[in-house]
Amino acid sequence: GAVVSQHPSRVICKSGTSVKIECRSLDFQATTMFWYRQFPKKSLMLMATSNEGSKATYEQGVEKDKFLINHASLTLSTLTVTSAHPEDSSFYICSALVPWDVDTQYFGPGTRLTVL
Amino acid sequence: AQSVTQLDSHVSVSEGTPVLLRCNYSSSYSPSLFWYVQHPNKGLQLLLKYTSAATLVKGINGFEAEFKKSETSFHLTKPSAHMSDAAEYFCVVSSSGGGADGLTFGKGTHLIIQP
Repeated sequence: GAVVSQHPSRVICKSGTSVKIECRSLDFQATTMFWYRQFPKKSLMLMATSNEGSKATYEQGVEKDKFLINHASLTLSTLTVTSAHPEDSSFYICSALVPWDVDTQYFGPGTRLTVL
Repeated sequence: AQSVTQLDSHVSVSEGTPVLLRCNYSSSYSPSLFWYVQHPNKGLQLLLKYTSAATLVKGINGFEAEFKKSETSFHLTKPSAHMSDAAEYFCVVSSSGGGADGLTFGKGTHLIIQP
């Protein structure tokens, strides 16, 4: 199989603090992972592409200094929301490309971020 | 450039009746097409994928989709709906450049199953 996990599943933080979300590929190595944001009753919006050992590629309009992405190993990518504000509250979902099927992404279960 | 249009934002069917979720796409390349399902507050689960091997693709949970190039469609069907099928469904297209270029998502279709 291809299992992707995220931690935490839910997080509540105060405005101005930073939050780190982890995305792990449990049974395969992922050189490429993606981070998405999903607003209520909306589709997924790609935030950035995370490549192991190199800098992430951010989509237009996504602040790279606010949403820090690190992909330090073949099984882990992290998204850190820095100086969080209430408007950053959202559902964040990661995905990973599997090595045996180059254009299929497997998704994590998502992280619900609430900024008070 | 590529795009995906899911023609219905909501579809309601009775349990045991057929399901049809409609999707049209446009792509400059030979596309890969996917259907994903998302249950409330969950991530996305891959239902099925079309590459170019066969135009009728069978997926999990009894779903299937047919690729029709002349109609640029990739509609999702299931012969008999189950209550557990109630969820959000996304039609997705990927360029021939592969998943590293990212996916283009449709806006989603909310499937409601009436008892």
